[in-house]
Amino acid sequence: AQSVTQLDSHVSVSEGTPVLLRCNYSSSYSPSLFWYVQHPNKGLQLLLKYTSAATLVKGINGFEAEFKKSETSFHLTKPSAHMSDAAEYFCVVSVRDAGNMLTFGGGTRLMVKP
Amino acid sequence: DAGVTQSPTHLIKTRGQQVTLRCSPKSGHDTVSWYQQALGQGPQFIFQYYEEEERQRGNFPDRFSGHQFPNYSSELNVNALLLGDSALYLCASSLAAGPQHFGDGTRLSIL
Repeated sequence: AQSVTQLDSHVSVSEGTPVLLRCNYSSSYSPSLFWYVQHPNKGLQLLLKYTSAATLVKGINGFEAEFKKSETSFHLTKPSAHMSDAAEYFCVVSVRDAGNMLTFGGGTRLMVKP
Repeated sequence: DAGVTQSPTHLIKTRGQQVTLRCSPKSGHDTVSWYQQALGQGPQFIFQYYEEEERQRGNFPDRFSGHQFPNYSSELNVNALLLGDSALYLCASSLAAGPQHFGDGTRLSIL
């Protein structure tokens, strides 16, 4: 079985300051890990993915995430927040042996103050 | 290049009715997955279709059923609608085990 825990339901930052969204996962097998972003009344957009290559993964819009197996974490970071980053972010795990079914965390709402 | 398209965008039904939601995958994709996203929660996996067969199913009752057509498009059917079925229904497509790309969803409201 696999599961994802997003440690913060809400994160608030000021524009231009760093962003950190925390994610821990549990998986019986080698997982693939993803971060998706969802803007209001929209579907989900893939930010980045980890699939057992480099542990530091770079995504779109300046986001990156680091896979730490020893800590079972996959935290999302960005050096400088923009107003347009305000959205809901989901950490997601999938396992090939489970048919690549995506298991989502509960989400973190990122708010960016001017 | 069109992405994943879903129809309709909004739908209002009453308890006990039946509903059909539709999804056209991204060009070149052969696998379609459906997710239910209740308000304020993360999406929950319903099922996945590949080669016109249900390949994987989440923890949803038999009232939820689906179909995949030869052109890879898919339908999600829900019978005997309950108030708790009110949610955003998301379709995602992929090429085999590749990353899943999502549509904008269908917002289903049950009165």
